[in-house]
Amino acid sequence: GQNIDQPTEMTATEGAIVQINCTYQTSGFNGLFWYQQHAGEAPTFLSYNVLDGLEEKGRFSSFLSRSKGYSYLLLKELQMKDSASYLCAGMDSNYQLIWGAGTKLIIKP
Amino acid sequence: DTAVSQTPKYLVTQMGNDKSIKCEQNLGHDTMYWYKQDSKKFLKIMFSYNNKELIINETVPNRFSPKSPDKAHLNLHINSLELGDSAVYFCASSQGAGDVNEQFFGPGTRLTVL
Repeated sequence: GQNIDQPTEMTATEGAIVQINCTYQTSGFNGLFWYQQHAGEAPTFLSYNVLDGLEEKGRFSSFLSRSKGYSYLLLKELQMKDSASYLCAGMDSNYQLIWGAGTKLIIKP
Repeated sequence: DTAVSQTPKYLVTQMGNDKSIKCEQNLGHDTMYWYKQDSKKFLKIMFSYNNKELIINETVPNRFSPKSPDKAHLNLHINSLELGDSAVYFCASSQGAGDVNEQFFGPGTRLTVL
């Protein structure tokens, strides 16, 4: 079956660094997406990885290891506005996204 | 200039009623989607549709049906609403089908069935 696992909730301090992990199992693989979803709002695209390694985009970076079925999202210099849910989604061989339940990130001052 | 819009934002209705949610995208995308996000926050794909193909998630009851009057619109019709249909429904779109493309989401419609 297809499955995405990520922690339900994490807490971090403003200014710190946090890593949100995701493991995936998909039927075929066409890449791994990370989306951000603030409470009551729509998910918005953060990053896409299809090759192994780290993709850096400002304060956010995303890593992929295809052999391990593993990805993480790294958030640096945390700001209060980063409080949100972070959704991991794997794209299967039919180009359909398989979504995790999201990790709710709580930032404390 | 909203990219993906949905109406209504909130919908409260009684069990057994029939309702529709409208979705429009002005991005010129070929593919549109409907997702259901339940209280546990899982996003579950219900339908993906382009002008060639409708892909239905087999777990979606046939009370749910997508209607696409043109490429920019994909409306969701729900018949005989049930309590378990209460959720947030998101419309999304992406450029092309059968390829890797970022999906753009609408603001969501919170459906409450009483």
